[in-house]
Amino acid sequence: DQQVKQNSPSLSVQEGRISILNCDYTNSMFDYFLWYKKYPAEGPTFLISISSIKDKNEDGRFTVFLNKSAKHLSLHIVPSQPGDSAVYFCAGAKAAGNKLTFGGGTRVLVKP
Amino acid sequence: DTGVSQDPRHKITKRGQNVTFRCDPISEHNRLYWYRQTLGQGPEFLTYFQNEAQLEKSRLLSDRFSAERPKGSFSTLEIQRTEQGDSAMYLCASSLRDRQETQYFGPGTRLLVL
Repeated sequence: DQQVKQNSPSLSVQEGRISILNCDYTNSMFDYFLWYKKYPAEGPTFLISISSIKDKNEDGRFTVFLNKSAKHLSLHIVPSQPGDSAVYFCAGAKAAGNKLTFGGGTRVLVKP
Repeated sequence: DTGVSQDPRHKITKRGQNVTFRCDPISEHNRLYWYRQTLGQGPEFLTYFQNEAQLEKSRLLSDRFSAERPKGSFSTLEIQRTEQGDSAMYLCASSLRDRQETQYFGPGTRLLVL
């Protein structure tokens, strides 16, 4: 059962514009959600997280929005930069320190 | 502050051989996690430790897989009698006691079973 889904396998955006990545989940027990970025042949790099008691968290160019009623979260990157080209994964956890359940990833290409 | 390190970075083995991977977490991180990632998929949880205690194992972790974390520092993941389906990237992550919601990943060990 896929508890976390990223329905868009890829996204192409122009440099300087906004990138919006979406993620849906089915497990209402998730307490935390995280976004990771992954370059080829490297491990995932933590970007930003959000607790289920919040609906927004912002860190520099990255903002994560959580809609609990819709079981949906999104990551906004603005402005997008060529170095943002990577695969992005969202993940959920039932409690801090517990295992992460990942989505399948969205490949982002930022065009100069 | 060095990150999570994994060794080796790449491993090619023949079917039926045993392999062992090592993970060194970030200093003072008390939790250590193992995940597996296959092409086109997100990482899948295998097991995790709090200090030296193994707290949870996934049903993905067959009896051919064993993980240890002696003394609560580095961890090893051993796969016995490897199969072609074991070919994947094996990722290790660690988290700090006071910030356990964030897991930091190592570069991974890519395993190819021929």
